[in-house]
Amino acid sequence: AQKITQTQPGMFVQEKEAVTLDCTYDTSDPSYGLFWYKQPSSGEMIFLIYQGSYDQQNATEGRYSLNFQKARKSANLVISASQLGDSAMYFCAMRENSNFGNEKLTFGTGTRLTIIP
Amino acid sequence: EAGVAQSPRYKIIEKRQSVAFWCNPISGHATLYWYQQILGQGPKLLIQFQNNGVVDDSQLPKDRFSAERLKGVDSTLKIQPAKLEDSAVYLCASSLGRGTTDTQYFGPGTRLTVL
Repeated sequence: AQKITQTQPGMFVQEKEAVTLDCTYDTSDPSYGLFWYKQPSSGEMIFLIYQGSYDQQNATEGRYSLNFQKARKSANLVISASQLGDSAMYFCAMRENSNFGNEKLTFGTGTRLTIIP
Repeated sequence: EAGVAQSPRYKIIEKRQSVAFWCNPISGHATLYWYQQILGQGPKLLIQFQNNGVVDDSQLPKDRFSAERLKGVDSTLKIQPAKLEDSAVYLCASSLGRGTTDTQYFGPGTRLTVL
């Protein structure tokens, strides 16, 4: 089974509108972390936001917020007031304990977001 | 604060040749990671170092890939000999290696094309 599922391969959104990127995850580990990264065409993975499994409140970082629904195992990224510079690939990732005793980051397949002027 | 540095940014080689990538993590970061990102996919962990020791190399094709982090700072990843399917972006990341909010920070990557 996929550990991280991103069901939207691509999205087109009008500039200044809000956008929600979907992410569902699968784990039996009670302690885990969820991350969102942005990857522009330049290739660098840019950290956006983090949510811990025990956090009571949804994480927010500027225009980014994470809609964390633990029972549904979903961690959707919400970008408010989208800008042209938001056009990029977005990856959801989960950190959990691996069989080797380390904490391992597993990525989804990504969503390509295109902002239309 | 300087980010994760990688070189080269681009490399084109023919199959069966050798190639090496270099990574310098963020100062003070104990944990270093190498990922392989094939076009259209998310990054996949190849190897994880804690200081100069290997923590996880379960997905590293050890018959052709090797990595080292001799002094616990910078690291090199080598492929010898390269295959066509090794064409990918190789990303290096680093983190403090402690705490529940331990975040990995990535370098710009090296785009490898094997012809």
